[in-house]
Amino acid sequence: EIVLTQSPATLSLSPGERATLSCRASQTIRNYLAWYQQKPGQVPRLLIYDASNRVPGIPAKFSGSGSGTDFTLTISSLEPADVAVYYCQQRSDWTFTFGGGTKVEI
Amino acid sequence: EVQLVESGGGLVQPGRSLRLSCVASGFSFDTYAMHWVRQAPGKGLEWVSGISWSSGSVDYADSVKGRFTVSRDNAQKSLYLQMNSLRVEDTALYYCAKESDATPSAMDVWGQGTTVTVS
Repeated sequence: EIVLTQSPATLSLSPGERATLSCRASQTIRNYLAWYQQKPGQVPRLLIYDASNRVPGIPAKFSGSGSGTDFTLTISSLEPADVAVYYCQQRSDWTFTFGGGTKVEI
Repeated sequence: EVQLVESGGGLVQPGRSLRLSCVASGFSFDTYAMHWVRQAPGKGLEWVSGISWSSGSVDYADSVKGRFTVSRDNAQKSLYLQMNSLRVEDTALYYCAKESDATPSAMDVWGQGTTVTVS
């Protein structure tokens, strides 16, 4: 089973700063890597799919990059509305796994 | 409006069974793979199971393999999760999620979830 490790566990930044969230896979994966945002009390929302493709309607401040085992979600300019837990998720054949999440605080 | 509505959760004793349901509306249910994802109280997301549009491909997380069975009825636009031999650690909010329009490798619509408590 492929394990996804997210870091840091918690990221505390000021408004306007750039947030860089990491997701590392235990083995090389294809670019079947997605990122989700889950705000308190809400269901997860898909932000990025296939490592770097932004879902229509998601602000351009969210961007994904990476390949192989190392992937990154970048939030270019933090706002209070971005406070959430962010999860990465991968697919290998018919098995999916999520990372443990990164909590972003302002 | 694309919508997923889960039901069937509740309080159950360890070792007992429960069957979850998810009814879909607003999209062509029979053309998408579907998934169950759970979230224990205060914890992260855990993928539980997935099933292809035709039911020809299914898979499970190691934590539930042999105890849970996923199925679907395309005519009823419904997804199911039969959970047997339940354990305390199965306590969670169970979400039904739809395969993304853009890629089969992500999930773009989620229900509000149904709560399972094993105690």
